[in-house]
Amino acid sequence: GAGVSQSPSNKVTEKGKDVELRCDPISGHTALYWYRQSLGQGLEFLIYFQGNSAPDKSGLPSDRFSAERTGGSVSTLTIQRTQQEDSAVYLCASSLRLAGVGDTQYFGPGTRLTVL
Amino acid sequence: EDKVVQSPLSLVVHEGDTVTLNCSYEVTNFRSLLWYKQEKKAPTFLFMLTSSGIEKKSGRLSSILDKKELSSILNITATQTGDSAIYLCAVERYGDDKIIFGKGTRLHILP
Repeated sequence: GAGVSQSPSNKVTEKGKDVELRCDPISGHTALYWYRQSLGQGLEFLIYFQGNSAPDKSGLPSDRFSAERTGGSVSTLTIQRTQQEDSAVYLCASSLRLAGVGDTQYFGPGTRLTVL
Repeated sequence: EDKVVQSPLSLVVHEGDTVTLNCSYEVTNFRSLLWYKQEKKAPTFLFMLTSSGIEKKSGRLSSILDKKELSSILNITATQTGDSAIYLCAVERYGDDKIIFGKGTRLHILP
């Protein structure tokens, strides 16, 4: 596609419910990243996938968070038993390979998650 | 459609030079403008500029927001090879709290 797409654009859920957020990276990009940004805060890294390698899950804040990437393309971020502090904008980015100085990450529009 | 445009797309300078990176935006309901440094994996937060804080400085880095011109600049003085990175500009907007990113400026500092 023309860029990274994410769905839904907005999600309102009740505390304790599970949510799934979807990311469609740019075709051909082997690296995919999930971040979240709370209002006025910097980006918080969550997880990244690089090709067929095991994902780097070092940024996931708790075991309620998980992500998978099927077929090296679409990724789903799942948050179980959501809490109010999970409310944030969840951003997905993709790049041709592992980010370095010569590799630009292309960001999607984000999913705004609100946990009531 | 809201957008953030950065220039130049890439820049190569020698160590010790001063560089200025540009970011312009067309975003409804502007809340804040953010600058990030992207080296490996996750971008590192540099500055956040808002209507109440239009100029920030940290060491050799400084940034100014021009709300009239809908733009911002990031200055790096006395550049070092460690400054080599992609610098990202992003704008937050009110309402849906979405963040719109520019495509970045790729900066390379030659020793």
